[in-house]
Amino acid sequence: KAGVTQTPRYLIKTRGQQVTLSCSPISGHRSVSWYQQTPGQGLQFLFEYFSETQRNKGNFPGRFSGRQFSNSRSEMNVSTLELGDSALYLCASHRGLAGGPPYQETQYFGPGTRLLVL
Amino acid sequence: LAKTTQPISMDSYEGQEVNITCSHNNIATNDYITWYQQFPSQGPRFIIQGYKTKVTNEVASLFIPADRKSSTLSLPRVSLSDTAVYYCLVGSGNTGKLIFGQGTTLQVKP
Repeated sequence: KAGVTQTPRYLIKTRGQQVTLSCSPISGHRSVSWYQQTPGQGLQFLFEYFSETQRNKGNFPGRFSGRQFSNSRSEMNVSTLELGDSALYLCASHRGLAGGPPYQETQYFGPGTRLLVL
Repeated sequence: LAKTTQPISMDSYEGQEVNITCSHNNIATNDYITWYQQFPSQGPRFIIQGYKTKVTNEVASLFIPADRKSSTLSLPRVSLSDTAVYYCLVGSGNTGKLIFGQGTTLQVKP
């Protein structure tokens, strides 16, 4: 069974631009969560989507947004990029059978998209 | 929401048992504790999850005392391939929010 895939794997943008990252979950998984990982702040939860609806949200500004499609694929968008947005963006999927939050089931992470903002 | 604290790094030798402790003093009744392993250039990988007492699977054990203010991941007989960063995660049953610890870099030496 194919794992979680993320595209692109690497991205370079300049300040003020916007970026869209894509995540394809494991087949049959209905929930997708996004995380930001930086050396200074570590792993931080961005948001979670379940059945095309945002179910949980971390403490990030509104410049960070996302959506989920009917096939469970998800995209994350960051507008007006800042230097501090340089990070590894990880997505994780889980089955969502129980309809509960991400921690209740095993999450499967993708390899991440490394974003560099210049 | 609980704040999690872990040691920054630990060293061990092959064949030894390694215990990594995570402190989460403000953990709430409905919060779960999960541990992940991460290798360079890869996403984290689930190791084990628990709520209270002890949980064991084929790769690790998780010990959670009655007050649940800390948890200990136990890796039996580590090998060189266990060299990685280990993260403790507390998930809120009330808000759905997730808080990761800063990660513990485990270096296993021959």
